[in-house]
Amino acid sequence: GDSVTQMEGPVTLSEEAFLTINCTYTATGYPSLFWYVQYPGEGLQLLLKATKADDKGSNKGFEATYRKETTSFHLEKGSVQVSDSAVYFCALSDQGGSEKLVFGKGTKLTVNP
Amino acid sequence: NAGVTQTPKFRVLKTGQSMTLLCAQDMNHEYMYWYRQDPGMGLRLIHYSVGEGTTAKGEVPDGYNVSRLKKQNFLLGLESAAPSQTSVYFCASSYRGQAVYEQYFGPGTRLTVT
Repeated sequence: GDSVTQMEGPVTLSEEAFLTINCTYTATGYPSLFWYVQYPGEGLQLLLKATKADDKGSNKGFEATYRKETTSFHLEKGSVQVSDSAVYFCALSDQGGSEKLVFGKGTKLTVNP
Repeated sequence: NAGVTQTPKFRVLKTGQSMTLLCAQDMNHEYMYWYRQDPGMGLRLIHYSVGEGTTAKGEVPDGYNVSRLKKQNFLLGLESAAPSQTSVYFCASSYRGQAVYEQYFGPGTRLTVT
């Protein structure tokens, strides 16, 4: 079945450092890809998405490019802030009509001042 | 516009007790989902619904039942709670009719079974 593998955390960075969180996927067909973010004590919220190969999703300084050839959707940010501290989930959408999401296990990011 | 709300926020149950978690959305979404989140496991789909009166099993449905009698509500029931059901439960909803089905999540219910 479809699956998502993302780098294990936790990841600890200093403010203004460069962030990369790796995500690779296995899927039949052409899924849509997502990054969701979960701030402490809250539910998940969509950070960015991409629907086809070579699409780049971006939001709040974060970017990820849908790479079909490497089945990857790595999350990047050039300069992280303390407020970016959260758990980040990579996900893909099931194409079977119910649009179920398959999530990676999450990567916890802590940014220190 | 409250989005997705969940009731209750916290609950402690004894083994064998039953309870119902309520999810409500005011966005007129067709699809609704129940997930559980456990440390190191990410989110796993319990049950989902593609419309009023319909439900289907997800990845980890055992020990849970659901009902979707009204479009805006999706109930998750535990008939006989077990310690393995200690988790944080999230409800989500999404709209059919757009190219990418973004899911909107509630704030979660933290359940402890002793």
